[in-house]
Amino acid sequence: DTGVSQDPRHKITKRGQNVTFRCDPISEHNRLYWYRQTLGQGPEFLTYFQNEAQLEKSRLLSDRFSAERPKGSFSTLEIQRTEQGDSAMYLCASSHGQGFSNEKLFFGSGTQLSVL
Amino acid sequence: EDKVVQSPLSLVVHEGDTVTLNCSYEVTNFRSLLWYKQEKKAPTFLFMLTSSGIEKKSGRLSSILDKKELFSILNITATQTGDSAIYLCAVTRYGGSQGNLIFGKGTKLSVKP
Repeated sequence: DTGVSQDPRHKITKRGQNVTFRCDPISEHNRLYWYRQTLGQGPEFLTYFQNEAQLEKSRLLSDRFSAERPKGSFSTLEIQRTEQGDSAMYLCASSHGQGFSNEKLFFGSGTQLSVL
Repeated sequence: EDKVVQSPLSLVVHEGDTVTLNCSYEVTNFRSLLWYKQEKKAPTFLFMLTSSGIEKKSGRLSSILDKKELFSILNITATQTGDSAIYLCAVTRYGGSQGNLIFGKGTKLSVKP
């Protein structure tokens, strides 16, 4: 499978614990995005990387959230001191190309986080 | 504040029916509008629209954009049970990161046999 892959698919944690998610984008894609989706809502932009550089962060991304893409390939999203409000689907996406091609995002299947 | 509004939020039809899903937007420096289909988890790309009045078509699905009235429609003809999904509309802006899509809440389509 050469699509965007995310791990784990599901994560249940207790409030206050730290969690880390991984995303492997499509190999030739230089842009990588993280989105969050809650029930009944569309995905909300969190942050994006071009190669290893994190170029934009949403105001939704509090200080407890950190994302990295150390070698411009896979990315990790860490949430520290989880809260019940962090429960959501965390989607990763990637894109490649110039101009409008950059906006055609390919999404992974997401990591469903449940904070108890 | 930029926003994307989809209607209806949910829709139940029978196989063979034709459906029209609506997406209206208010966004500064509009650049493009995209439609995605979300069946279980991963949204999958359907169309990208950048110019008014040019219909994009793929099989039984088609979409068109009206940049004057700030809306788009997604048509599905001869619906099948496999069309059951959430259909998401998103817009992008000039001046923002090109992958910062602003999504609507989606339309949940259920196609009954």
